Parts: sequence; C-alpha cells; structure tokens
Amino acid sequence: AQSVTQLDSQVPVFEEAPVELRCNYSSSVSVYLFWYVQYPNQGLQLLLKYLSGSTLVKGINGFEAEFNKSQTSFHLRKPSVHISDTAEYFCAVSEGSGNTPLVFGKGTRLSVIA
Amino acid sequence: SAVISQKPSRDICQRGTSLTIQCQVDSQVTMMFWYRQQPGQSLTLIATANQGSEATYESGFVIDKFPISRPNLTFSTLTVSNMSPEDSSIYLCSVVQGATAFFGQGTRLTVV
Repeated sequence: AQSVTQLDSQVPVFEEAPVELRCNYSSSVSVYLFWYVQYPNQGLQLLLKYLSGSTLVKGINGFEAEFNKSQTSFHLRKPSVHISDTAEYFCAVSEGSGNTPLVFGKGTRLSVIA
Repeated sequence: SAVISQKPSRDICQRGTSLTIQCQVDSQVTMMFWYRQQPGQSLTLIATANQGSEATYESGFVIDKFPISRPNLTFSTLTVSNMSPEDSSIYLCSVVQGATAFFGQGTRLTVV
C-alpha cells in the first residue's frame, strides 16, 4: 500500500524568504507524484506533477519540486515566497499506471509573514 | 484538463436527514472518485464509482451510509445518509485524465 508523509504540519516563513515543504512516500510500485494547493475555502489546485522524465519539475506560481527515487522524496521549493502563497499544501501519490485514485499526505500549512 | 462542476457548494443540514451531492464532468471518464476532507484534515478516499457497476468503497465507508450513483460517463452523485455532526466535512469528486487528478470545488457540509 502507498503512503505519504509530510514531515511538517506547519511552516511559518517571512515574505521573500525561500521555503521547502518536505514530502516522503512509500510504495512498492512505480508512482506518479503531485503537489496540490488549497487556499482558504477553496478547492484543490494542481501545483505540479512528476510522471516521468526529468526529476526536477516546475509548476505554477514559481514552485518546483525534485523527485528523488533513492530517498523516496518529492520536496516542494520556492526561492522567494509571497503573502499570497499562504495556503495548505498537499503532497499526493498514485500508482504509475494512470486512472487510479490519489493517496494524500496530511498537508502542510504554509504561513507567510510580512 | 477536465472541468468538474459540483453542487451544492455548501449546505447546512439537520441531523438525521440526507444530502445528495452532484458531480458533472465536461468529458467522458471511466472512473470517478469521491473524497472526504474532515475539518483541518487531509483528503480520504470514500469510494470509486464506475459506470455500469456498483461503487467500490474504502475501508471504513459503507454503501448504506454513502450510496453512490453513476448513471453515465459524465455524472455521479454521492448521498450522505442519516447525517450526524461527525459528517460535517468537505466532500470532493475527482477524475483522472492524463494520469492527473482533477477536483471539483467541493461541497462544504455542516450538520447541526
């Protein structure tokens, strides 16, 4: 069975500082990896995804993530955060065969401080 | 990318009643997924809905409590039956296209 661990439940960071949100997964099969963002009282928006190919993936709003197979990690990074990045971030994994549901981590609450 | 319309967006319901949530997709999909997000928590898969067959429920979720219909390839409903305050959550439907999951905006349910 797959599982996802987001190591930090809350991450406070000052505006314009860099941030890394950590995600580790476990799976016995090849996987697809995703980061979603949920702004207050809104649905889930896809930030970025890793399906295959380059291990460094770039997403929307200046975010990027690196797939590390040996460490089973998919950490999310942004070099300079804005107040508008304050939200809940979810890491998720699915089996690498398509059309399967996601398994989500517990989420990381990013709070950007002015 | 798939566009999913989900309604109602929110509702406040009396305990003991039932609420049916509708999910419409702008393209045909084989499977639709229903998730629950309890307050301050992550998303948990409730069930997978295939057109033409009974839904497959995850551990801890049963058909009597969460009956699902899937009459065609673009539509599904989830009913939350005999509600209690513990059912207060956000319910989301999802489809997968191109190995990527897309979500409706969710239904925020409050049971009083």
